[in-house]
Amino acid sequence: NAGVTQTPKFRVLKTGQSMTLLCAQDMNHEYMYWYRQDPGMGLRLIHYSVGEGTTAKGEVPDGYNVSRLKKQNFLLGLESAAPSQTSVYFCASRPRGGGNEQFFGPGTRLTVL
Amino acid sequence: AQSVTQPDIHITVSEGASLELRCNYSYGATPYLFWYVQSPGQGLQLLLKYFSGDTLVQGIKGFEAEFKRSQSSFNLRKPSVHWSDAAEYFCAVGLAGGTSYGKLTFGQGTILTVHP
Repeated sequence: NAGVTQTPKFRVLKTGQSMTLLCAQDMNHEYMYWYRQDPGMGLRLIHYSVGEGTTAKGEVPDGYNVSRLKKQNFLLGLESAAPSQTSVYFCASRPRGGGNEQFFGPGTRLTVL
Repeated sequence: AQSVTQPDIHITVSEGASLELRCNYSYGATPYLFWYVQSPGQGLQLLLKYFSGDTLVQGIKGFEAEFKRSQSSFNLRKPSVHWSDAAEYFCAVGLAGGTSYGKLTFGQGTILTVHP
């Protein structure tokens, strides 16, 4: 089991460019999440999905879009990157059902110049 | 609104000393409680979790945490710290119930430095 994987690991963008981050999990989990991590702010939820074809907004959704066309994949898109989106992005997944913990990927470090 | 507070941004201890990391939460219902650890450049790894039952929970790497409902706290402890415990620690809280969809609210994190 690879668990939760994220692609790419690092990326540098110029302001206004677009990109997509890929999260994949091989644990057959129903729920998936995208977070951003900034110093001193912990992790903040951007978007989440409770199943294939469904997505919902989290705490800080502005400037991001997501899609979950397949159960194992959860894509995070930045249509027009801004310097404020410089961050480390983490994907997580968990099974449906009460009390289960989230399993995290290794993260993607994104810099927007 | 739900919130999680880790009052200590940075803690420094000597190797072999005891450790307590604080976590306070503000939730209107029975929470699920987690502690995660993040080594530099890595993802988050679960240390332990509390859902119900015994309020003292044991985790990996010799860590334990105690849920105190009256104080809305879930402090993490270790009796003797090892140099390899240097990392950032996150407390996270989730709500029970189907409509919460397992979402977590994280604290700001506590960076632990261990002196030899």
